[in-house]
Amino acid sequence: GESVGLHLPTLSVQEGDNSIINCAYSNSASDYFIWYKQESGKGPQFIIDIRSNMDKRQGQRVTVLLNKTVKHLSLQIAATQPGDSAVYFCAENNDYKLSFGAGTTVTVRA
Amino acid sequence: NAGVTQTPKFQVLKTGQSMTLQCAQDMNHNSMYWYRQDPGMGLRLIYYSASEGTTDKGEVPNGYNVSRLNKREFSLRLESAAPSQTSVYFCASISDPGLWTEAFFGQGTRLTVV
Repeated sequence: GESVGLHLPTLSVQEGDNSIINCAYSNSASDYFIWYKQESGKGPQFIIDIRSNMDKRQGQRVTVLLNKTVKHLSLQIAATQPGDSAVYFCAENNDYKLSFGAGTTVTVRA
Repeated sequence: NAGVTQTPKFQVLKTGQSMTLQCAQDMNHNSMYWYRQDPGMGLRLIYYSASEGTTDKGEVPNGYNVSRLNKREFSLRLESAAPSQTSVYFCASISDPGLWTEAFFGQGTRLTVV
């Protein structure tokens, strides 16, 4: 994925508010998208995924939206908590290889 | 169950030196991947091994070689390190190349080339 237009490299959020992280992906042939969370000093961890035949998927406190027309993904985190502070990456799967976007650093303010 | 183990965690090399980054997984996964992570650029795929006995180039393979030693182990070698290879390197494994929900990443190797 790549970061174009709506993508912000950093996001500061008040604890308890909702967070929205945006991502623009590059390959219209990609059929599977994933959001990962990376905490400092650790490898990425899976959050939620969505296939190209869907436009919305919900998990626990997280929702992913997919707009294939404009090749855009978003991750919504409800009631953001201090433990949500991390770097968030969108990734697109194409031909069994996963390509990552540049990431958004989320900082939660107490 | 250790998951994906990378060694070493930190390394400093002089330009021109060689070294091998080790990765081992104990989950009986078929596919293994090497990524590098640079500030502001996300993770970029260096090489991958879809199954034991096969390896393929990713986005940024130049300056690297890999060996899929067996099903568990996938090593990344820098034959002649360059400052441009200063980065954090992550190894990942998955059972099935289509199931990235089950991808496990190692803790990373922070490499500095001076």
